[in-house]
Amino acid sequence: DAGITQSPRHKVTETGTPVTLRCHQTENHRYMYWYRQDPGHGLRLIHYSYGVKDTDKGEVSDGYSVSRSKTEDFLLTLESATSSQTSVYFCAISEFHEQYFGPGTRLTVT
Amino acid sequence: KQEVTQIPAALSVPEGENLVLNCSFTDSAIYNLQWFRQDPGKGLTSLLLIQSSQREQTSGRLNASLDKSSGRSTLYIAASQPGDSATYLCAVRPGGSQGNLIFGKGTKLSVKP
Repeated sequence: DAGITQSPRHKVTETGTPVTLRCHQTENHRYMYWYRQDPGHGLRLIHYSYGVKDTDKGEVSDGYSVSRSKTEDFLLTLESATSSQTSVYFCAISEFHEQYFGPGTRLTVT
Repeated sequence: KQEVTQIPAALSVPEGENLVLNCSFTDSAIYNLQWFRQDPGKGLTSLLLIQSSQREQTSGRLNASLDKSSGRSTLYIAASQPGDSATYLCAVRPGGSQGNLIFGKGTKLSVKP
């Protein structure tokens, strides 16, 4: 299994609070991605990174920001959490072709 | 806009049966296609990756085919087992993208003993 960890694995937070999710890899892969998975929508890309300090938006980026100061870490921040951001968040990495996924973070916004 | 569709949404088969899961995509300009397995409450496990220039890939009891011109891929599972029960996801990497994947909504497979 690819060395990808996500923290926290579960989180409950209140509407309006900022939340940061962390993805950590030990594979030294260049590309990192954040997806969200929702019933009826499947997995959708939020943001991705193609190198340290190089990031770009995905399909559903509104309300989210990302940062990548080191190759191994990719942070996803919900600036002011809303109930519509209740979801399961997955981090993924790739170097050339195949993409590998982390275990996910279940986030509930009340 | 690329769209990926998986049919059927759910499938129940008896143990030992050979089965086929279907995936279709609307834009044939893809870089590759990847099949994943997801167990309840878990992450995604990569099963097979097919590059756009390839026609099929095999791993154990799994065989994935790709017909890029018709926008179709199939995942064939031979001699199904209860342990194969999971949701199977198909995802395409659009040509020219930075590697981000477009996913189908999956086929939930149940293999009955």
